[in-house]
Amino acid sequence: DTGVSQDPRHKITKRGQNVTFRCDPISEHNRLYWYRQTLGQGPEFLTYFQNEAQLEKSRLLSDRFSAERPKGSFSTLEIQRTEQGDSAMYLCASGPGQGETQYFGPGTRLLVL
Amino acid sequence: TQLLEQSPQFLSIQEGENLTVYCNSSSVFSSLQWYRQEPGEGPVLLVTVVTGGEVKKLKRLTFQFGDARKDSSLHITAAQPGDTGLYLCAGERAGNNRKLIWGLGTSLAVNP
Repeated sequence: DTGVSQDPRHKITKRGQNVTFRCDPISEHNRLYWYRQTLGQGPEFLTYFQNEAQLEKSRLLSDRFSAERPKGSFSTLEIQRTEQGDSAMYLCASGPGQGETQYFGPGTRLLVL
Repeated sequence: TQLLEQSPQFLSIQEGENLTVYCNSSSVFSSLQWYRQEPGEGPVLLVTVVTGGEVKKLKRLTFQFGDARKDSSLHITAAQPGDTGLYLCAGERAGNNRKLIWGLGTSLAVNP
């Protein structure tokens, strides 16, 4: 078990470009979460998958953001037409079927210039 | 409205001192978790408490869940520079579709 992995670890992009992040959860974890975190703050919930079904999306997730988990394993988070305000750490977490313990990946740090 | 209030927000202490971090809410949680996060990394789970009044110890760290399951504390004895980091509490509310409610974190610096 290698834990939750995220790719890339760092991304620098220009305003207006599209970016896509990938998350590979712990195998056999059916729940997968995306969070956004800014410096010195706790994680802000973005969206949540149970297997391949996206069960909840935060109001923080504008229409420029889309997440998928097509086969119930890895997930992608895409941001279209990035804005400087999108600069943050994007965290992925996965959890087993019982309880609410979540295991986090190392995050993808996005900087929009 | 922040559903989970953490205090203090920042704490800077000398090596060897003791400290307590608090996580308070007016809501009842079915479980509460504590995480520690280092700069540039994701949060790492320290402990999950589920029973009111529960106390769990992890080496020099002692976690307590309030009797009413609305609050929790983290006590560190004889803090070391390696304890430096952001400590986050997160609670699961019953029937909340498995979404955690997060505190804003306590940033701890332990100076040698």
